[in-house]
Amino acid sequence: DQQVKQNSPSLSVQEGRISILNCDYTNSMFDYFLWYKKYPAEGPTFLISISSIKDKNEDGRFTVFLNKSAKHLSLHIVPSQPGDSAVYFCAASGRDTDKLIFGTGTRLQVFP
Amino acid sequence: DAGITQSPRHKVTETGTPVTLRCHQTENHRYMYWYRQDPGHGLRLIHYSYGVKDTDKGEVSDGYSVSRSKTEDFLLTLESATSSQTSVYFCAISEPGVTVRETQYFGPGTRLLVL
Repeated sequence: DQQVKQNSPSLSVQEGRISILNCDYTNSMFDYFLWYKKYPAEGPTFLISISSIKDKNEDGRFTVFLNKSAKHLSLHIVPSQPGDSAVYFCAASGRDTDKLIFGTGTRLQVFP
Repeated sequence: DAGITQSPRHKVTETGTPVTLRCHQTENHRYMYWYRQDPGHGLRLIHYSYGVKDTDKGEVSDGYSVSRSKTEDFLLTLESATSSQTSVYFCAISEPGVTVRETQYFGPGTRLLVL
């Protein structure tokens, strides 16, 4: 039972445009969400997070939106750059736990 | 970057042999985790530790054991490697703060091939 789902395995976006990566979750106890970015042959690196008390968190070119009623979050990258080409993982955790549940990842390719 | 190293970075072994992967951190973080990454599955938690000699099972712990005798080292052992354990293994660390959940930081990974 996949509690965190990234239904798009890949996404291709032109440089300068917006990239939108989506993530859905099923567990209503999740209240903390993170995005990680992973380059080939490297470990995942933390990108941005959001608590369920917010519906938006912004850090430079990266913005995460949380829609609790739809159990959906999205990562917006504006403007997209070739260096953003990587696999992006969504992760979630619930109250009183230090474990993260990861989605299966979305491979983003930003082309010139 | 968090000071996390993993060794070895690459390993090829044969079915039935024991294998130990090492994670070393210099951040003095209390929590350490072992994940495996496989196509179509994302990252799945194998075992984790919330302090020296305190460990617990994750989602996919069968066939794996762990030990943590020092804050800085977390070992993952495959008692008798199988081909299904061919994967990329990541170690992660975190330091609990005011809230239970804190960001996890990952090591560079170990690519394991079991023939």
